Amino acid sequence: EDKVVQSPLSLVVHEGDTVTLNCSYEVTNFRSLLWYKQEKKAPTFLFMLTSSGIEKKSGRLSSILDKKELSSILNITATQTGDSAIYLCAVISGTYKYIFGTGTRLKVLA
Amino acid sequence: GAGVSQTPSNKVTEKGKYVELRCDPISGHTALYWYRQSLGQGPEFLIYFQGTGAADDSGLPNDRFFAVRPEGSVSTLKIQRTERGDSAVYLCASSLAGTSGYEQYFGPGTRLTVT
Repeated sequence: EDKVVQSPLSLVVHEGDTVTLNCSYEVTNFRSLLWYKQEKKAPTFLFMLTSSGIEKKSGRLSSILDKKELSSILNITATQTGDSAIYLCAVISGTYKYIFGTGTRLKVLA
Repeated sequence: GAGVSQTPSNKVTEKGKYVELRCDPISGHTALYWYRQSLGQGPEFLIYFQGTGAADDSGLPNDRFFAVRPEGSVSTLKIQRTERGDSAVYLCASSLAGTSGYEQYFGPGTRLTVT
């Protein structure tokens, strides 16, 4: 059965800290891995990774995929209170099926 | 431009009643997905439409759940004889095509509460 596992389940840090969120997967036909940020209801897209070892970066957020280890990390540097959210990892299996992890709940304290 | 919209934003219904949840995808997006998200969980796949047809409905939990997309745009998720266990946030997402090259854009969801 395809599955995506995220760790840690929750994390509390102080503003300015750096955090690393983990995502590992077991899927039958891997195509891509995506990261989303969910604050209230709608998850918003952060990154899509298809090739191993290539880092995607946007401001203080970056992500890298390791296809050999079947995993990805999402790094957030110099965290701010506005980074508080649930971070979801999803893997596309086959041509269209998105499998989501349970998410990591991040809380950044002022 | 307009994003994915869903109505209603909240729905409270009594056990045994019928509900309809509506999704309006981004214009031009041919792929449409329904997910269910329970507290503390990630979105769980329910059904995928490519155009008007349901290409994969393997995630629908039982035959009380049904979804349509008659004109290839707006979709309606229908739940008959609702049960308390159906309470969750129902998310809709759309993308340009049902291939791995495109990210999904999510709507704000409908929070369904069955009392």
